[in-house]
Amino acid sequence: GESVGLHLPTLSVQEGDNSIINCAYSNSASDYFIWYKQESGKGPQFIIDIRSNMDKRQGQRVTVLLNKTVKHLSLQIAATQPGDSAVYFCAESYTGGFKTIFGAGTRLFVKA
Amino acid sequence: NAGVTQTPKFRVLKTGQSMTLLCAQDMNHEYMYWYRQDPGMGLRLIHYSVGEGTTAKGEVPDGYNVSRLKKQNFLLGLESAAPSQTSVYFCASTARRGTNTDTQYFGPGTRLTVL
Repeated sequence: GESVGLHLPTLSVQEGDNSIINCAYSNSASDYFIWYKQESGKGPQFIIDIRSNMDKRQGQRVTVLLNKTVKHLSLQIAATQPGDSAVYFCAESYTGGFKTIFGAGTRLFVKA
Repeated sequence: NAGVTQTPKFRVLKTGQSMTLLCAQDMNHEYMYWYRQDPGMGLRLIHYSVGEGTTAKGEVPDGYNVSRLKKQNFLLGLESAAPSQTSVYFCASTARRGTNTDTQYFGPGTRLTVL
């Protein structure tokens, strides 16, 4: 069935280093992918998205890479800061569908 | 703009009690969703609505009912609460699918404990 999963459940990085969070998806029909950040006690918050006609998209300190050949998505955070500590979810959906499928999440710890 | 708001923030119920969770959005979004989040399981879709007066089942609809009488509100009801419904509930909304605004905006969550 459809699924969105993550390779690493937890990730610990040193402040100032770059972080990479990975995600695998299985539905080849998915054409829209989103990364969300969830801080403790809060709802998920949109970080960045990418459509299937793109391989890379950059935001402020964040970059999402999409490899459709191997159904892989990654989120890169540059110069990771303590405020980046949170759980990160990847999600997928497809045009014409009503639902978004979320992965289980990766917890990012930033060490000062 | 308040975005997506949820009421209440916390609630403790006894088994068999009923309650309604209220979600409101002021972004004129067409689509609204109710999710539950349990440790290690991510977000699971309970019910969703693609417009005023419409509702549909999601991944885990049993034990829940919903109503979308007004475009801005989406209500989640528990008729007879069970301990298995202890969870954090999130509401989300999004503009009409097919545009570049498929991003879901989430509320702050409702933490529900059923004893």
